Amino acid sequence: GAVVSQHPSWVICKSGTSVKIECRSLDFQATTMFWYRQFPKQSLMLMATSNEGSKATYEQGVEKDKFLINHASLTLSTLTVTSAHPEDSSFYICSASGRVGAFFGQGTRLTVV
Amino acid sequence: RKEVEQDPGPFNVPEGATVAFNCTYSNSASQSFFWYRQDCRKEPKLLMSVYSSGNEDGRFTAQLNRASQYISLLIRDSKLSDSATYLCVVNIHNNNDMRFGAGTRLTVKP
Repeated sequence: GAVVSQHPSWVICKSGTSVKIECRSLDFQATTMFWYRQFPKQSLMLMATSNEGSKATYEQGVEKDKFLINHASLTLSTLTVTSAHPEDSSFYICSASGRVGAFFGQGTRLTVV
Repeated sequence: RKEVEQDPGPFNVPEGATVAFNCTYSNSASQSFFWYRQDCRKEPKLLMSVYSSGNEDGRFTAQLNRASQYISLLIRDSKLSDSATYLCVVNIHNNNDMRFGAGTRLTVKP
């Protein structure tokens, strides 16, 4: 079964609205989670590293005020895409890493219209 | 230089063929290496870890060459169901921060 659960799996929203994506680790406590974005026919790109109880670390070129990350507990991290625009339409995936590798959420396909 | 680089692909092979993918990484101190498989519009799933001595899982063989800083994945007797994108993943800073290669698209044809 899944060890990392991501919700929702898909969402369509209007331009200018905000969307929250949840990522939960089910079988273990994740002090660190990672958020990725994948555009069509491209590789997964790390957006930010989410640290429990502290501020996220963002990769270069990722706007921290647009992509709000909260990691308030050891089992939950959230990504909020604020004031979404069509160019934010993408596949967003979270992951939590352990000794045997990274476990991914099912991904969220965001479409901004 | 990119942190993780993969063969660009795509690879189109007939059923039963043997195909190999290579991946190079930039940080010589990296300790953990993985191959993931990603089907279209799905999340990546762990295919196999890569160990220093090399490891095999059925038709799949993974190798690590630390001196040249590359890992490889060999698929023997390709099946139609092997069609997917294969991602090379490296834990480059050994803090569970995984970095991905661009992925290699494999299509196995009848």
